[in-house]
Amino acid sequence: GAGVSQSPSNKVTEKGKDVELRCDPISGHTALYWYRQSLGQGLEFLIYFQGNSAPDKSGLPSDRFSAERTGGSVSTLTIQRTQQEDSAVYLCASSYLPRYEQYFGPGTRLTVT
Amino acid sequence: KQEVTQIPAALSVPEGENLVLNCSFTDSAIYNLQWFRQDPGKGLTSLLLIQSSQREQTSGRLNASLDKSSGRSTLYIAASQPGDSATYLCAVFQGGSEKLVFGKGTKLTVNP
Repeated sequence: GAGVSQSPSNKVTEKGKDVELRCDPISGHTALYWYRQSLGQGLEFLIYFQGNSAPDKSGLPSDRFSAERTGGSVSTLTIQRTQQEDSAVYLCASSYLPRYEQYFGPGTRLTVT
Repeated sequence: KQEVTQIPAALSVPEGENLVLNCSFTDSAIYNLQWFRQDPGKGLTSLLLIQSSQREQTSGRLNASLDKSSGRSTLYIAASQPGDSATYLCAVFQGGSEKLVFGKGTKLTVNP
């Protein structure tokens, strides 16, 4: 079946602009996760959704970052007033239930110029 | 705070060799441990998931073990092939948390 998909695959934006990153999880997966992968930092957790609610937002780096999930499916990660340090690969993962095996999408490479 | 360490950071072996990748974690109160591979410019592919109550899992040429009390896991790859070349990541699901904590990975190169 279809895996986790993310769009766009690449995004180049100017500093100060807002960006939206999209994640389509595997159908039927109730848990959805966003991570960020940057050089030298490894993979960092950003936010976790169970259904449409986000019980754990502890990894969001600042209030410029927000995310939502609708219909228990698609999720959007929004970064406002982008900064150069936001440049990274943003990865989305889903699992059937929390703490089950996570399946990752291909990521969105964000470059802020 | 949970910390995950993977040693070595890079490994180069000739084709056909058996090899072991190591992962250690500082807090043994984990729910499960997951091994992934990541090819350059790609997302993560799940290889094996070990529940905290299990000691090992096998999939094809891969075998992962877990010793929760000592905070260690190993990934054994038998009869390595050039197609195994990738970065291998270990991640633990912390008890009482809803997130994976990742190591920085081991970059494996299998030479023909």
